[in-house]
Amino acid sequence: DVKVTQSSRYLVKRTGEKVFLECVQDMDHENMFWYRQDPGLGLRLIYFSYDVKMKEKGDIPEGYSVSREKKERFSLILESASTNQTSMYLCASSSTGRGAYEQYFGPGTRLTVT
Amino acid sequence: DAKTTQPPSMDCAEGRAANLPCNHSTISGNEYVYWYRQIHSQGPQYIIHGLKNNETNEMASLIITEDRKSSTLILPHATLRDTAVYYCIVSSHSGYALNFGKGTSLLVTP
Repeated sequence: DVKVTQSSRYLVKRTGEKVFLECVQDMDHENMFWYRQDPGLGLRLIYFSYDVKMKEKGDIPEGYSVSREKKERFSLILESASTNQTSMYLCASSSTGRGAYEQYFGPGTRLTVT
Repeated sequence: DAKTTQPPSMDCAEGRAANLPCNHSTISGNEYVYWYRQIHSQGPQYIIHGLKNNETNEMASLIITEDRKSSTLILPHATLRDTAVYYCIVSSHSGYALNFGKGTSLLVTP
């Protein structure tokens, strides 16, 4: 089974802190994604990566950056956390070609910025 | 990618079939219909996808109309564990990211 793991289930940070959210997948997938989920807004794509060191902006990249130095790991960085970044963050991965239709999601990290 | 329209919520009695509709009137020829669901406090889970033909797997059936402007996800014998938000997504196979929208919140009652 594909496993996508996220470094923390719950995280509390202070305004202005630099925050790292880590995601690791064990199925050698090329594509990795970061979403945030807020009540009433559904899932929104922040960034995605289709290869090591490659990244593309999603719908809401402002205030975030990402890093993909190794194929299995995709990090989301909040350079200076703000209260409006309090949210559930979900990481996902998928392969290319025939397997591209199915994204595998991690359990999510609920981040609270105070 | 084409936009989808789903009812915000639905109820279904346990053991009965749950039929979840989705409108995607602007779908183009190379776009697939995907269904995912999200159980509370978990990440979304892939259910099924299709292009033109009806599809069935161990979880559900997908019925796509002939003009492809709408589809229905069928859970043949809903259980309490099927209570979740169900997302209908339309995207080309070459698309990297999926637009999840707000989905339909399905409540299965005893």
